[in-house]
Amino acid sequence: SAVISQKPSRDICQRGTSLTIQCQVDSQVTMMFWYRQQPGQSLTLIATANQGSEATYESGFVIDKFPISRPNLTFSTLTVSNMSPEDSSIYLCSGYRGLHYGYTFGSGTRLTVV
Amino acid sequence: QQPVQSPQAVILREGEDAVINCSSSKALYSVHWYRQKHGEAPVFLMILLKGGEQKGHEKISASFNEKKQQSSLYLTASQLSYSGTYFCGTEGTSGSRLTFGEGTQLTVNP
Repeated sequence: SAVISQKPSRDICQRGTSLTIQCQVDSQVTMMFWYRQQPGQSLTLIATANQGSEATYESGFVIDKFPISRPNLTFSTLTVSNMSPEDSSIYLCSGYRGLHYGYTFGSGTRLTVV
Repeated sequence: QQPVQSPQAVILREGEDAVINCSSSKALYSVHWYRQKHGEAPVFLMILLKGGEQKGHEKISASFNEKKQQSSLYLTASQLSYSGTYFCGTEGTSGSRLTFGEGTQLTVNP
């Protein structure tokens, strides 16, 4: 299956600051996505990371708050900007490798904003 | 629109069977199934495409009823390792984003 490396694995941040999460995937991933998951809840799609162009955001998520970059096929970053305690969550990157392998997820970044 | 999963939770004894359902009010192109253990990332189980295809993965199989926009995940002779939260994810069209259900928490006891 696809290998996805995500870092940091966890962080505790002060409100008002920003955190950038990095995701590296292997070359067989075609599409990359960023999700948010509250403990014990479902996964909510934040955006689709598009190579070389602006990400496609889902309703309720905006670029100013969650800027995303994908400079090449295998690397993407998600920044959580001007953080508040409500941003505390687990953030996961995901890559899609087609029908046989589905979506593979990074190990997640557990963010706590204090 | 988020698919609806049922039941929300199920507790089994080792060796028992379980069925988890996933339904959507919209026409679907595909249904995905994932299992997530506590503190870990979701792990892909299988994809079903429209056409009523049934797939199997060891003792875990699934079906997709295109007419009803429903999918069911069947866990046979459950093992302790099957414990976790099962999520279905649905696509409305090929290559569109995946929308996950709320999840079904499965606990298998000895």
